[in-house]
Amino acid sequence: NAGVTQTPKFQVLKTGQSMTLQCAQDMNHNSMYWYRQDPGMGLRLIYYSASEGTTDKGEVPNGYNVSRLNKREFSLRLESAAPSQTSVYFCASERDRNIQYFGAGTRLSVL
Amino acid sequence: GQQVMQIPQYQHVQEGEDFTTYCNSSTTLSNIQWYKQRPGGHPVFLIQLVKSGEVKKQKRLTFQFGEAKKNSSLHITATQTTDVGTYFCYGGGADGLTFGKGTHLIIQP
Repeated sequence: NAGVTQTPKFQVLKTGQSMTLQCAQDMNHNSMYWYRQDPGMGLRLIYYSASEGTTDKGEVPNGYNVSRLNKREFSLRLESAAPSQTSVYFCASERDRNIQYFGAGTRLSVL
Repeated sequence: GQQVMQIPQYQHVQEGEDFTTYCNSSTTLSNIQWYKQRPGGHPVFLIQLVKSGEVKKQKRLTFQFGEAKKNSSLHITATQTTDVGTYFCYGGGADGLTFGKGTHLIIQP
């Protein structure tokens, strides 16, 4: 099992460019999450999806959109990247009892 | 979701010393989880505590859930260089769950 797969691993964008971060899980989990991690800020929830076809805002949703394409895939889109979105992004899927499994992360720099 | 506060933010120890990180909430937690993130890595689930006063052990790691289910701790006995990383608690209740900001464990040989 691959678990949770994120692509790309690294990305550099210019201010104003758009991009989509991809996430796929092969564990048949219903819930999926997107977090960003910044030094000293821990893991902050951007969006989550409790099931296929549903998405909800987390703590820091501004500047992002998400799509739960099917049960396996949950993508995060930056429509117009800003330097403040420079961060490490983690996707996670959730087994029962709230236990989360994380992908390896995407390291994004916006210049 | 409700907030969980984690302290300390950083902890420097000499190899072989013990280490403890604490997670506190102002409201009752339905459960608490602990994760470890190695430098440059991703968070990995360690354990979940559900019952009031629960204590679980994993080799040198001891996890406790308070009697009132408002706090939890992770204690590492005789730290080793492989323990380096950031330890996060994750907890909440009916309003949702959140991660603590983490405790960075730095070990000096």
